[in-house]
Amino acid sequence: SYELTQPPSVSVSPGQTASITCSGDKLGDKYACWYQQKPGQSPVLVIYQDNKRPSGIPERFSGSNSGNTATLTISGTQAMDEAYYYCQAWDSSTGVVFGGGTKLTVL
Amino acid sequence: QVQLVQSGAEVKKPGASVKVSCKASGYTFSIYAMHWVRQAPGQRLEWMGWINAGNSNTKYSQKFQGRVTITRDTSASTAYMYLSSLRSEDTAVYYCARDKGGLMDVWGKGTTVTVSS
Repeated sequence: SYELTQPPSVSVSPGQTASITCSGDKLGDKYACWYQQKPGQSPVLVIYQDNKRPSGIPERFSGSNSGNTATLTISGTQAMDEAYYYCQAWDSSTGVVFGGGTKLTVL
Repeated sequence: QVQLVQSGAEVKKPGASVKVSCKASGYTFSIYAMHWVRQAPGQRLEWMGWINAGNSNTKYSQKFQGRVTITRDTSASTAYMYLSSLRSEDTAVYYCARDKGGLMDVWGKGTTVTVSS
């Protein structure tokens, strides 16, 4: 079955750029999306189709996807961005696949 | 606005079954598919399956095949997730989420299912 791998944690200072990676076999051939989840809340879509932002998502969120790695980038990271981030892709045989999640700490 | 309202928390004994509902509003229910995703305490998101609300076709994760059934009632704009043979490891928050081309653009608030003897 298809798998996506994320680092368990990433730390960033306020105002700096955070990058969270998501790795999977030939992931660049698929669309990747990203969800933000804060404690006790439902996930929120922040990036879809590799690099598109849904309405209402700040411009500081961006994405890329090439080769085996998709990357979520948060520029000018704010304290409110502290959360878990999950990547997700669709595999024709497995179905929906989520990464293990990355805890972003802003300190 | 688009909303998914889920049924309330459930407490079940091992071996029992649970049915969680997800009522959609603010859009044409039959045009979109609906996913079910669960999250055990402190764990990752885990996809369970989805249903095409128009034709009721389903696809399930291999992990839950045989234990999960997803249905829908278009007249009530509601999707349902039925999970049988519950065990303690099924204790989790269960979410429904609207599909938009293989991703999930709107999520319900989740339903907590606790399995305990």
